[in-house]
Amino acid sequence: DTGVSQNPRHKITKRGQNVTFRCDPISEHNRLYWYRQTLGQGPEFLTYFQNEAQLEKSRLLSDRFSAERPKGSFSTLEIQRTEQGDSAMYLCASSSPTSPDTQYFGPGTRLTVL
Amino acid sequence: AQTVTQSQPEMSVQEAETVTLSCTYDTSESNYYLFWYKQPPSRQMILVIRQEAYKQQNATENRFSVNFQKAAKSFSLKISDSQLGDTAMYFCAFSGPNTGNQFYFGTGTSLTVIP
Repeated sequence: DTGVSQNPRHKITKRGQNVTFRCDPISEHNRLYWYRQTLGQGPEFLTYFQNEAQLEKSRLLSDRFSAERPKGSFSTLEIQRTEQGDSAMYLCASSSPTSPDTQYFGPGTRLTVL
Repeated sequence: AQTVTQSQPEMSVQEAETVTLSCTYDTSESNYYLFWYKQPPSRQMILVIRQEAYKQQNATENRFSVNFQKAAKSFSLKISDSQLGDTAMYFCAFSGPNTGNQFYFGTGTSLTVIP
């Protein structure tokens, strides 16, 4: 068990560019969550998957954001036409079928939009 | 909607002393879970302790314990024998099965342990 991993750890991009982040959950964890955390704030929920199905999306997830989990394992979060307001830490978490209430977090991807 | 409030943005404690971090929440759900997570300067969120709302007994994990007051919707974290490695942001979080177990976080308390 290597824990939740996220890549890249840091991403710097120019406004208007597209970026994609990847999350690999803990093996056999069927639920996968994405959160966004800005400086000085707690993480805010973006979306979650149960296996390959995306079950809920926050109003924070604008049309420029899309998330996938095609085979029920890893997930990607894509932001199109990035804006400076997208600068944040993007956290991924996963939970197991036997304990769906407890989430384990990855190290996050820090996005800076110039 | 669920809300979580942490009213102490910053706290400090002397090494080996005890400190209590406060958290209140609001929900209409009857079955839910409460958590404290620690986020050290390296930024990885680490689970500290978990409480199931239907259990009256307060959870404990080594030096960490909670005071769960369901009627008051209060969930404080007590850290005993504070260590330098306890320096971190501490987030209180709520989750419930009716909302897909997504987490609602407070704004965090920055704890500094002073040698």
